[in-house]
Parts: sequence; structure tokens; C-alpha cells
Amino acid sequence: GENVEQHPSTLSVQEGDSAVIKCTYSDSASNYFPWYKQELGKRPQLIIDIRSNVGEKKDQRIAVTLNKTAKHFSLHITETQPEDSAVYFCAAASGGGADGLTFGKGTHLIIQP
Amino acid sequence: GAGVSQTPSNKVTEKGKYVELRCDPISGHTALYWYRQSLGQGPEFLIYFQGTGAADDSGLPNDRFFAVRPEGSVSTLKIQRTERGDSAVYLCASSLGPYNSPLHFGNGTRLTVT
Repeated sequence: GENVEQHPSTLSVQEGDSAVIKCTYSDSASNYFPWYKQELGKRPQLIIDIRSNVGEKKDQRIAVTLNKTAKHFSLHITETQPEDSAVYFCAAASGGGADGLTFGKGTHLIIQP
Repeated sequence: GAGVSQTPSNKVTEKGKYVELRCDPISGHTALYWYRQSLGQGPEFLIYFQGTGAADDSGLPNDRFFAVRPEGSVSTLKIQRTERGDSAVYLCASSLGPYNSPLHFGNGTRLTVT
């Protein structure tokens, strides 16, 4: 089955700086890669996703890049703000959709004022 | 209107007891998923329904776990003979379909087995 590795487990950045979280996956058939943000005690919420037919996708301060050859994808957050503090999870799925998503272990992002 | 609803929000039970966790998906969402999240971990896939049928139950850890979705809407996750290791947050999610659709998660049920 799919195996998703996520790094780092904790990331502390100064407010206004950029944050990068990286994930690798093992199943070359995976073709859907969402990112979820989870605040303490709350539900995971989708913030951005990318499919294997594109290499990059951007939504305001958030961007995701995908390298299918190397089987890794990354989340980039620019101009970080205090409300960006949360745990971020990457995930991967095959079959073109969200069935059976395999999640990484999460990155605790801390924005220092 | 409403998002994915899960009840109860918290459940404390004794080891060996039977529990049922309920998920009410977003209206019109045909796909429904159950995940389990332990402290400090990412959600772990349990089972996926497309309509009434379980399309993929490969994540269920053993035969003490069972889930149904008899009318293609509400789903119930059933755990028999609960063990302390079953303690976790059980998350339900739904989507419009299996493809090209993001997952919408509920707030989860925090299960504690004493």
C-alpha cells in the first residue's frame, strides 16, 4: 500500500517569513495530493490539493508543488500570519480521487510573533 | 446547509463493551469515509462507502470493527468488545463522489475505553 512520509514534524518560523513542508510517497500510481490544516481540537480542513497532471498550484499565500518523478510534493506558505499556526497534513491517493487517502504524520507549524 | 455531523462528540466506555458511532454526511454526498486519528498522528483510513456499499474496507483493523450505510446516507461505525487500544478520535468525511472531490470532515467522536 501507499506510504507517506512528512517532514519536519515541527516547524517554527517568524511571522512574515515563509514555511515549507515536504512529503514523499511510495506508490507511483498515486495521483491526488491534498493538504489539510487541523487546529487544536478541530476537524481537518482542506486548504489546497493538486493532481498529477500539474506540477504546481497556487491559492493566494499557499502553493503546492509536485514532482512525480521523485515522488515528492511540498506545501509553501508565504507571508505567514499567527492564524497559520496549526498542524498540517499531507495525503496521497490513487484512483483519481479521494478514496483511501493515506496521510502523513503531520507538521506542527508555529508562527512566532 | 450543515456540514458533516458526528454523534456523540465524546464517548467513554468500559473495556469489552460495544459502541456505535454515527455519521451524518453532507446532503447529496455519495462517498463516505471513516478514519481514526490517534494523538499526534495523521488520520488513518478505515473504510470507504460509495452509496450503500463498502467499496474499500481494507483499513478496518480486525473483525471487531464493522460499518454500515443502509440507505446511502447516514453511516454507523460499530466496535465490538472494545479494547483500550481503540481509544482515539474517529473521524467521518464525505465527498460528492470518489473522484475529483475534496473530503469534508466532521468534528469526530472522541472514544475513550477505560
